[in-house]
Amino acid sequence: QVTLKESGPVLVRPTETLTLTCTVSGFSLNDGKMDVSWIRQPPGKALEWLAHIFSNDEESYRTSLKTRLTISKDISKSQVVLTLTNMDPADTATYYCVRTAYYDSGTYYNYYFDYWGQGTLVTVSS
Amino acid sequence: QSVLTQPPSVSGAPGQRVTISCTGSSSNIGAGYDVHWYQHLPGTAPKLLIYGNNNRPSGVPDRFSGSKSGTSASLAITGLQAEDEAEYYCQSYDSSVNVLYVFGTGTKVTVL
Repeated sequence: QVTLKESGPVLVRPTETLTLTCTVSGFSLNDGKMDVSWIRQPPGKALEWLAHIFSNDEESYRTSLKTRLTISKDISKSQVVLTLTNMDPADTATYYCVRTAYYDSGTYYNYYFDYWGQGTLVTVSS
Repeated sequence: QSVLTQPPSVSGAPGQRVTISCTGSSSNIGAGYDVHWYQHLPGTAPKLLIYGNNNRPSGVPDRFSGSKSGTSASLAITGLQAEDEAEYYCQSYDSSVNVLYVFGTGTKVTVL
């Protein structure tokens, strides 16, 4: 059974750094066809992809947040960590850790999110 | 910012058929990238509903179906049930904006 569970602070002060940990089970972080992404949803708004760490350790980031974001993984702990620096009230959101699968359609590699964590609401406020 | 546009809401009576559109552009759906759909019930984790335009993961009822044409995609729900009341999002890849994976604006389905 695949599960992902986010953990981290529920309240962060402006300018602080947010560190979220995702602990996975049911699959391996060095599985060649399974990666992990972080996605967030501000209250009342749509989903936003933030970062993706591939099984080969390559990283991709939402460009507008690239200077503030870091994604990493610890295979031995089955954990993926996301850090977001210089937090702002606009970063208030539910943050989801998501398993990212892909397939070759013959034209492109297509990525989608097949398992989601329950999410953790992070509020940025002084 | 969302680059995939969905209607804010759709509604239908139990048993009816509803469809949700997802309109993109030549840099995402129109470029040939596939579309995936998610169901989000309040207070729960989003759930993969359709991947690769029209494929259902194991456990998803065949009442849900997807299609894609040109720069748009659609999700259809036939035999609408009360448990289908949720927010639905489409997702694809975009080669032009600085976001690898783009989501739709979201559609709230209400069962009357």
